[in-house]
Amino acid sequence: EVQLVESGGGLVKPGGSLRLSCAASGFTFASSYTMNWVRQAPGKGLEWVSSISSSSAYIYYAVSVRGRFTISRDNAKDSLFLQMNSLRAEDTAVYYCARGEYCSGGACYLDYWGQGTLVTVSS
Amino acid sequence: EVVMTQSPATLSVFPGERATLSCRASQSVNSNLAWYQQKPGQPPRLLIYGASTRATGIPARFSGSGSGTEFTLTISSLQSEDFAVYYCQQYNNWWTFGHGTKVEIK
Repeated sequence: EVQLVESGGGLVKPGGSLRLSCAASGFTFASSYTMNWVRQAPGKGLEWVSSISSSSAYIYYAVSVRGRFTISRDNAKDSLFLQMNSLRAEDTAVYYCARGEYCSGGACYLDYWGQGTLVTVSS
Repeated sequence: EVVMTQSPATLSVFPGERATLSCRASQSVNSNLAWYQQKPGQPPRLLIYGASTRATGIPARFSGSGSGTEFTLTISSLQSEDFAVYYCQQYNNWWTFGHGTKVEIK
């Protein structure tokens, strides 16, 4: 059974940093799966944040987080990460780790999602 | 940027009735269109990909159709567990999600 378990969320002050992790199991993490972070602000819709290809050769960011967030993965440990710096109030959201099953031109449809981890940016 | 417009924003349906949800793209996304279902406090669940292919384990009452710019998700006979928010997402030209359609009990 495919499982994605996020951790690392919490309350942080504006300008602060946080590192999210996603532990994957039930599939061959190092194979041809692009991994993704998608966020959802309270009461709002879904927003793609960042993607990383299986070998880390291709990395993409939404304009809203480019230069502040860094995505990475450790295939030996079946783990995905999101380093978030210079956090803003508008980054407050539940952050989901999701597996890209098929990707076209850098974007994917997402067949498995974690339960999410809440990041709250507030003073 | 491809804009995805979902309608209606809210759909009130009796259990057992058919529900038809619409998703329109501002430019062609071919068949690179997915639908997700999200219930309160849960992550989204993939229902449909490639505009019309049901994901693993998705009941046959869910069907998707369309290509290019006009897409439809149909739930043939609404069950209690189907009341949720539904999002479309195009993956043809970068990433865009629609704003969602809430299907509520009438």
